[in-house]
Amino acid sequence: GESVGLHLPTLSVQEGDNSIINCAYSNSASDYFIWYKQESGKGPQFIIDIRSNMDKRQGQRVTVLLNKTVKHLSLQIAATQPGDSAVYFCAERTGFQKLVFGTGTRLLVSP
Amino acid sequence: KAGVTQTPRYLIKTRGQQVTLSCSPISGHRSVSWYQQTPGQGLQFLFEYFSETQRNKGNFPGRFSGRQFSNSRSEMNVSTLELGDSALYLCASSLRTSGSIEIGNEQFFGPGTRLTVL
Repeated sequence: GESVGLHLPTLSVQEGDNSIINCAYSNSASDYFIWYKQESGKGPQFIIDIRSNMDKRQGQRVTVLLNKTVKHLSLQIAATQPGDSAVYFCAERTGFQKLVFGTGTRLLVSP
Repeated sequence: KAGVTQTPRYLIKTRGQQVTLSCSPISGHRSVSWYQQTPGQGLQFLFEYFSETQRNKGNFPGRFSGRQFSNSRSEMNVSTLELGDSALYLCASSLRTSGSIEIGNEQFFGPGTRLTVL
């Protein structure tokens, strides 16, 4: 499949562990944030989003935390599975209503 | 409901040529955004079309252009191709403009078109 990024930071975990993927965003005026998952050969897939007036949002096995003070976003995946192996991107909606994507983190899950 | 489709999936061109990529959004979606993805620069926003009008534009040269048709299908064109244009070109559709953060307005991406410029 396509190479998403040759120099991505990589997080390696064991199946069943909890994973935490971090993202630093750049614009203090950004008001909306999204996490995407991209598997090899596919386009990014929406996972979860959060608005700037929230600091935590939970989905199925995933939780997003937002710390506006330090401009930091994290994605927590509970009970990580081999199928979670992918590249994860955070994106922020800036004041110009454009989505700006982070560089991505590669998650490798070992059985 | 069918997802976002992009054609062709793979394309090889030579420098100086031009190329047209096509994107069909999810039925009912009126916004189409285009992105370029490369290992060095990551995912970068090219432009967004909504109701046949370019609504937003990223920082790319004028060689990159696009349009949207009345059925919301979109095309992007790159003229005078350069080696650095080799990338995965992704389109994404949403119900309303991508700037709207209303519930249910998330962007859905297609599988991309892999363009290689020789």
